[in-house]
Amino acid sequence: QVQLQESGPGLAKPSETLSLTCTVSGGPINNYYWNWIRQPPGKGLEWIGYIFNSGSTNYNPSLKSRVTISVDTSKNQFSLRLTSINAADTALYYCVRSEGWTSAFDIWGQGTVVTVSS
Amino acid sequence: EIVMTQSPATLSVSPGEIATLSCRASQSISTNLAWYQLKPGQSPRLLIYDASTRATGIPARFSGGGSATEFTLTISSLQSEDFALYYCQQFNNWPRTFGQGTKVDIK
Repeated sequence: QVQLQESGPGLAKPSETLSLTCTVSGGPINNYYWNWIRQPPGKGLEWIGYIFNSGSTNYNPSLKSRVTISVDTSKNQFSLRLTSINAADTALYYCVRSEGWTSAFDIWGQGTVVTVSS
Repeated sequence: EIVMTQSPATLSVSPGEIATLSCRASQSISTNLAWYQLKPGQSPRLLIYDASTRATGIPARFSGGGSATEFTLTISSLQSEDFALYYCQQFNNWPRTFGQGTKVDIK
């Protein structure tokens, strides 16, 4: 079955750029929406954005100025880039699949913890 | 953006009893609502989509209902593995938004 695995640094410094990668195994990357969702400690879930078929993206307006999501279909991976990070970006970051424009999030990775601290 | 409000924040239930969780949307979302279960150290699991359709492999004791702005998730005969956090989420509008969660714990 399809599995998602996040990877990236567990610790990042304020003002730097955070980069995370999600590897998709057991299924195709084309024709699905690939999302990033995060959960700060003690808080709820926040949708960050998605990429679809190598080009189409959509981001949460609250993060839009700092977020880029990209995909490498040859490696079956997609990535998150978040610039100018601060302590409020400390969170558990999930990569997540959805099947269509109006679909739930059906497959989730286990998540990777990112702590922003100097 | 659409604000999702869940109640209660915590629900204490005895094993074998019924749990009813509520979710309200700040505007109509038709039936474009999903429920998820979160447990520490595990991938979140999709339980219900389209307000009332069980996802693949989800036991029949989980049921969802509602439309427009009012939704419920009912867990009949709670099992030990059901004590967890539950989130509702709307997929009618962008950005996608989640409720703040309901923790179901053992009474």
